[in-house]
Amino acid sequence: NAGVTQTPKFRVLKTGQSMTLLCAQDMNHEYMYWYRQDPGMGLRLIHYSVGEGTTAKGEVPDGYNVSRLKKQNFLLGLESAAPSQTSVYFCASSSLTSTATHFGNGTRLTVT
Amino acid sequence: DQQVKQNSPSLSVQEGRISILNCDYTNSMFDYFLWYKKYPAEGPTFLISISSIKDKNEDGRFTVFLNKSAKHLSLHIVPSQPGDSAVYFCAASGLSGGGADGLTFGKGTHLIIQP
Repeated sequence: NAGVTQTPKFRVLKTGQSMTLLCAQDMNHEYMYWYRQDPGMGLRLIHYSVGEGTTAKGEVPDGYNVSRLKKQNFLLGLESAAPSQTSVYFCASSSLTSTATHFGNGTRLTVT
Repeated sequence: DQQVKQNSPSLSVQEGRISILNCDYTNSMFDYFLWYKKYPAEGPTFLISISSIKDKNEDGRFTVFLNKSAKHLSLHIVPSQPGDSAVYFCAASGLSGGGADGLTFGKGTHLIIQP
């Protein structure tokens, strides 16, 4: 049982490049989330999804897009990376009845 | 404006003693509170939670207390062990548990357990 798996673990981009972060969960959870964590900050919600085919904006959605074509996968896209998007990105999932949100181990993204 | 505040960036406690981590919140719509523990290069892991209808929840060495009138919660770890050294995040939700709308996190407190 892998839980929440994120790929890649590390990535370096040049300003203006695009990329997609992949997240997969094997717990059959309904809800999935993307957070970012910056130094000295807590995690901030970028986008979330309450089910397959649905997405919604979180606290800091600008510059990101997401898709949830399958229940177990949640993709985070950066169309034109900026240095301000240098951060650690965490994917998470939770179920309708759980009190806990389960997190992946993060993707460290650097934009130069 | 921060809705969940952890005012102590770090806390040092001797092994075997009690660790008390504090958290304040401003949004009275929050009805579920959670504590997460995070080691370097790993994702946060769930520790313990409490519903706003309760004032205490206990799980082994971990107890969370909620003072709703003061909008304050605390995490007590007794006794503190070396493996407890980590960053602890307080988080809040407007719905039950993780909810549909995600969690609002504090900035974290780095707990250091001294041998």
